[in-house]
Amino acid sequence: QKEVEQDPGPLSVPEGAIVSLNCTYSNSAFQYFMWYRQYSRKGPELLMYTYSSGNKEDGRFTAQVDKSSKYISLFIRDSQPSDSATYLCATTTYSGGSNYKLTFGKGTLLTVNP
Amino acid sequence: EPEVTQTPSHQVTQMGQEVILRCVPISNHLYFYWYRQILGQKVEFLVSFYNNEISEKSEIFDDQFSVERPDGSNFTLKIRSTKLEDSAMYFCASILRQVPNEQFFGPGTRLTVL
Repeated sequence: QKEVEQDPGPLSVPEGAIVSLNCTYSNSAFQYFMWYRQYSRKGPELLMYTYSSGNKEDGRFTAQVDKSSKYISLFIRDSQPSDSATYLCATTTYSGGSNYKLTFGKGTLLTVNP
Repeated sequence: EPEVTQTPSHQVTQMGQEVILRCVPISNHLYFYWYRQILGQKVEFLVSFYNNEISEKSEIFDDQFSVERPDGSNFTLKIRSTKLEDSAMYFCASILRQVPNEQFFGPGTRLTVL
């Protein structure tokens, strides 16, 4: 059973569009939910982090978690060409010792066209 | 702004050869991770390291892999006898304390095994 599923896209939108990116997860033990942005040939960069069900907003970005349906979303408003990147959802839970290993989705490649 | 650095950016090696991938975590961080990303696949957890010992390792992290923090600043991943399937991007990550949303990733080392 795949732990985190994410539609890999690619997704292409015009500048200014609202973008919706989604993931589902299977393990109800997951407690923390993150969105990373990864530019080509770079490491993942943390974009948003949520803990509880509900919405969290940061500028043009809104992260949404629904623990009852195990569904994670990222919305980007007024998308810009600079938002073009691969977006990775990730989850984690405390797994003992000193460890918060991340479990990633496959990533969605987003292109915002000027 | 402090960042995680990795060297080399690209390593080409022959099958069966040993490679050492190097990471310099952020200086006051205490917890260290290696992840890998095979082309077109998910970012996968390999190993976590704290207080000079492995906290957790994945099924991928078999006897061919080892990690070390030789001098208090570097964090290395050694692959003893590389296989073709080891070709991937390898990312190092570090965090200051056990807070799940604060893993900072390096830019990665692209390993190509011929």
